[in-house]
Amino acid sequence: QKEVEQNSGPLSVPEGAIASLNCTYSDRGSQSFFWYRQYSGKSPELIMFIYSNGDKEDGRFTAQLNKASQYVSLLIRDSQPSDSATYLCAVRENNNDMRFGAGTRLTVKP
Amino acid sequence: KAGVTQTPRYLIKTRGQQVTLSCSPISGHRSVSWYQQTPGQGLQFLFEYFSETQRNKGNFPGRFSGRQFSNSRSEMNVSTLELGDSALYLCASRQGQGNGYTFGSGTRLTVV
Repeated sequence: QKEVEQNSGPLSVPEGAIASLNCTYSDRGSQSFFWYRQYSGKSPELIMFIYSNGDKEDGRFTAQLNKASQYVSLLIRDSQPSDSATYLCAVRENNNDMRFGAGTRLTVKP
Repeated sequence: KAGVTQTPRYLIKTRGQQVTLSCSPISGHRSVSWYQQTPGQGLQFLFEYFSETQRNKGNFPGRFSGRQFSNSRSEMNVSTLELGDSALYLCASRQGQGNGYTFGSGTRLTVV
């Protein structure tokens, strides 16, 4: 059974801190990795994607990928209350299926 | 550029009825996928269509079906509704298999 696993949280960080969100996946042939943010009552929106091992930075967001460890993470620097949402990790598997984790709920406290 | 449009936004149906949900992808996106989202199960993959062909199907009963038209618009149908079908149904489109999805606002289905 292929899986994408995330800590469901809630993860609580103070405003201005770094939030670290983690995701592991089971399909070793997975090709692409995505992070989505979902506010309560809204649909998911794509915030980052990463294909290669290493780090990818976009503003306050950094995605990190380690294919050997089958691990992908999202760091949010200078966290803001507006970052409070559920973050979904998604993995494009070897058969091109897109599999989502259950999400980590992040709360940033002012 | 218009986003992914789903209609209707909300539906209330009775057990045993059937329902059809509609999705118009972003212009130029030929791949359309459907997901069911519930608080307990998260995002569950229903099916993906590309160029009017079902490319992948998730682990849902045959009551759930879909199709895609030549203009890439897609519909999903659920027959003989059950209470457990109450969920947010999300449609997503993407330009190619290597790209991420853009989601529509969803259709919230309540079965009573």
